[in-house]
Amino acid sequence: SQQGEEDPQALSIQEGENATMNCSYKTSINNLQWYRQNSGRGLVHLILIRSNEREKHSGRLRVTLDTSKKSSSLLITASRAADTASYFCAMLYSGTYKYIFGTGTRLKVLA
Amino acid sequence: AAGVIQSPRHLIKEKRETATLKCYPIPRHDTVYWYQQGPGQDPQFLISFYEKMQSDKGSIPDRFSAQQFSDYHSELNMSSLELGDSALYFCASSLGGHRGETQYFGPGTRLLVL
Repeated sequence: SQQGEEDPQALSIQEGENATMNCSYKTSINNLQWYRQNSGRGLVHLILIRSNEREKHSGRLRVTLDTSKKSSSLLITASRAADTASYFCAMLYSGTYKYIFGTGTRLKVLA
Repeated sequence: AAGVIQSPRHLIKEKRETATLKCYPIPRHDTVYWYQQGPGQDPQFLISFYEKMQSDKGSIPDRFSAQQFSDYHSELNMSSLELGDSALYFCASSLGGHRGETQYFGPGTRLLVL
């Protein structure tokens, strides 16, 4: 299976703390995208990082990519209660037109 | 900015019935993807189209078929529905196929099979 793995599966933190989620994948990728999903709702795009990039920032979000370890991480700094959601990575494997999602991390930020 | 449009947003069907889900990609986007997400699960890739041709296929049952039309909208046809088909169905669009531009998701169609 090409499915990506994410850890932790669930994470509970206090407002103001940082949250880090990790994603690992199996074979070479074209890019990796991170999404947020509130319960039963749509998937909101957060950041795209390409295979030749190592780090990207967007506001309080920081994404890193280590192609040698086939892994990526999403860091949310100074978390807020509104960040409570599930976070998914999705990999576009090289030479394909399909994104394979990771298993997701459920983040709960306590006020 | 225009987003991906999906219709209907909710659908209730009986077992063995047929359903058609529609997706209207962001204007100028040439690639459409379909995903199925069961309760508490991650989205599972079903099928994708690039420039109106099927470009990749995932775990899509033979009972399902899809196509992309000349105006780039796409339809997912589901026949002989089973209880296990109850799920959220997402459509996403992007520009440039396997070049890997940002993939934007629609709000989803929630299908309930009774």
